[in-house]
Amino acid sequence: QVQLQESGPGLVKPSQTLSLTCMISGGSISGGGYYWSWIRQHPGTGLEWIGYIFDTGNTHYNPSLQSRLTFTLDRSKNQFSLKLSSVTAADTAVYFCARGSYRSSLVPFDLWGRGTLVTVSS
Amino acid sequence: DIVMTQTPLSLSVTPGQPASISCKSSQSLLYTDGKTYLSWYLHKPGQAPQLLIYEVSNRFSGVPDRFSGGGSGTDFTLKISRVEAEDVGVYYCMQSIELYTFGQGTKLEIK
Repeated sequence: QVQLQESGPGLVKPSQTLSLTCMISGGSISGGGYYWSWIRQHPGTGLEWIGYIFDTGNTHYNPSLQSRLTFTLDRSKNQFSLKLSSVTAADTAVYFCARGSYRSSLVPFDLWGRGTLVTVSS
Repeated sequence: DIVMTQTPLSLSVTPGQPASISCKSSQSLLYTDGKTYLSWYLHKPGQAPQLLIYEVSNRFSGVPDRFSGGGSGTDFTLKISRVEAEDVGVYYCMQSIELYTFGQGTKLEIK
């Protein structure tokens, strides 16, 4: 059974870079036909898509965050990562990683992690 | 940006009774390939969110058949034929025709 698990520091100082990793267990990040996303939920509000990285390494970011984002994929560790620079309190949120599939049909976010809370504060 | 609007924002249902959630998009979700890119998710307390329905009415693997999705264009509905205690949580609709945006969420509680 494939599972996703987010990890990273729970507290980041303003202006610093937020770094998160999503570990994939029970399956391979290089299995083909998948794309890997980050989604966040600000306290008390709805979900916001951050971006995705294909298993080929191609990326697509939310335009509102694009200038601050970098996604990477590490096949040797079976994980993918997010870096968000110059964070402010507005980046405080629960961050989820999720998988999408484009195998037989396009199925968005068919598997999610439980999420990790990141607080931006000095 | 496509705006997704869900109603109601909260729902209290007696077990065994039906429930329905509406989702409206600010523009049509019908793509040129003939498919409509609207999905439904459930986020149960303390768990990872889960996919219920994709392309309006396709039930994802393992999802009970008491869940069904319908609609077209800009108006969509998720129906639960007989609510069970395990269905509590927050339900989200999401469009994926133009990047991804989610509805505000509908919290379902058991009476």
